[in-house]
Amino acid sequence: EVQLVESGGGLVQPGGSLRLSCTASGFSFSNSWMDWVRQAPGKGLEWVANISPDATEKYFVGSVKGRFTISRDNAKNSLYLQMDNLRVEDTAMYYCSWSLVHWGQGTLVTVSP
Amino acid sequence: DIQMTQSPSSLSASVGDRVTITCRASQGSGNLLNWYQQKPGRAPKHLMSGASNLQSGVPSRFSGSGSGTEFTLTISSLQPEDFATYYCLQYHSYPRTFGQGTKVEIK
Repeated sequence: EVQLVESGGGLVQPGGSLRLSCTASGFSFSNSWMDWVRQAPGKGLEWVANISPDATEKYFVGSVKGRFTISRDNAKNSLYLQMDNLRVEDTAMYYCSWSLVHWGQGTLVTVSP
Repeated sequence: DIQMTQSPSSLSASVGDRVTITCRASQGSGNLLNWYQQKPGRAPKHLMSGASNLQSGVPSRFSGSGSGTEFTLTISSLQPEDFATYYCLQYHSYPRTFGQGTKVEIK
């Protein structure tokens, strides 16, 4: 069974940082593209970033470029999202996804003064 | 960026109704489009890829069609468990972009 478990969310002040983690199981993580998608409270879905299996390719939505970094550790079946210089508008549930097919349950990030 | 526009934004329908949701892309997306269903407080559920390829386990009352710039999701006979918000996503180019969602409510 595919499982994706996110962690690391919480409350942070504007300008602060958070590192989200996603632990994967039930599929070949090291051969898979992985994505982060977010959803602000009461709003729609927004794709944030993805990373290739060997981490040589990384793509981001424009609003997070230069502030967010995506990385992975294939030995640990883990995906990460380092979020720096956070803004109020980054407040959202953040989902980890395997190829935009299988999704975790999300971790909530709240950016507030 | 490719903009995805869903219509309608919401609809009211009865159990047994046929429901069609449209997703239009601002640029050609081939058939590289997914559909998702999301219920309140839950993660999105993948329904289909490639515009029309149903995910294993998804009921056959769901179907998808289209290519290029216009896509449709059809529910042939709406069931109580289908009341939810539906999203399209293009994965033809970066950044990936979602439609704004269509909320299907009980009439």
